[in-house]
Amino acid sequence: EVQLLESGGGLVQPGGSLRLSCAASGFTFSSYAMSWVRQAPGKGLEWVSGITGRGITTYYADSVRGRFTISRDNSKNTLYLQINSLRAADTAVYFCAKGARPSILGAFDIWGQGTMVTVSS
Amino acid sequence: QSALTQPASVSGSPGQSITISCTGTSSDVGGYNYVSWYQQHPGKAPKLMICEVSNRPSGVSNRFSGSKSGNTASLTISGLQAEDETDYYCASYTTNSTSYVFGTGTKVTVL
Repeated sequence: EVQLLESGGGLVQPGGSLRLSCAASGFTFSSYAMSWVRQAPGKGLEWVSGITGRGITTYYADSVRGRFTISRDNSKNTLYLQINSLRAADTAVYFCAKGARPSILGAFDIWGQGTMVTVSS
Repeated sequence: QSALTQPASVSGSPGQSITISCTGTSSDVGGYNYVSWYQQHPGKAPKLMICEVSNRPSGVSNRFSGSKSGNTASLTISGLQAEDETDYYCASYTTNSTSYVFGTGTKVTVL
């Protein structure tokens, strides 16, 4: 069964950092791009960051560029998101999503259940 | 990069057809056939319903169909059922500084 399982969310103070992880199983992880998508409470979906299958190219939304870093370890079938300088506006459920292609062009065909990040003092 | 524009809500009676629009620009929806649609029930992860404008993944009901004209993509749900009542989002690859963009979301109500 194809599955994505996020972890690493929690309550953090403004200015703090977190590292989110997404463990993948049931497919050839290195063959597909991966992305992080977030959803603030009661709001819509926002694409945050993506990385190609081999991890060579990364992409970021303007709202997080310079503060977030996406990476992957294909030997561990795991995707990461390092989030720094957290702001209240970063409070959201963070979903890990599998791309349908090795490049960033494809749709997101498999999603994890999400991990909640709350930024508050 | 602004979100793609969707109507906030669309409604229809059981058995009817409804269409949700998704308007972007030539840098995203109009320029590429990488438009996708997602269904999201409250508290759940999104589910891919349509990819590459009009392709339906395996397991998705054929009551869902997609199309595109110019800078506007559309999702049509035919034979509307109670279980279709939830939120829908479009998304597209974009050549703007943000590489991917979602729509504002549409709440579908079955009357």
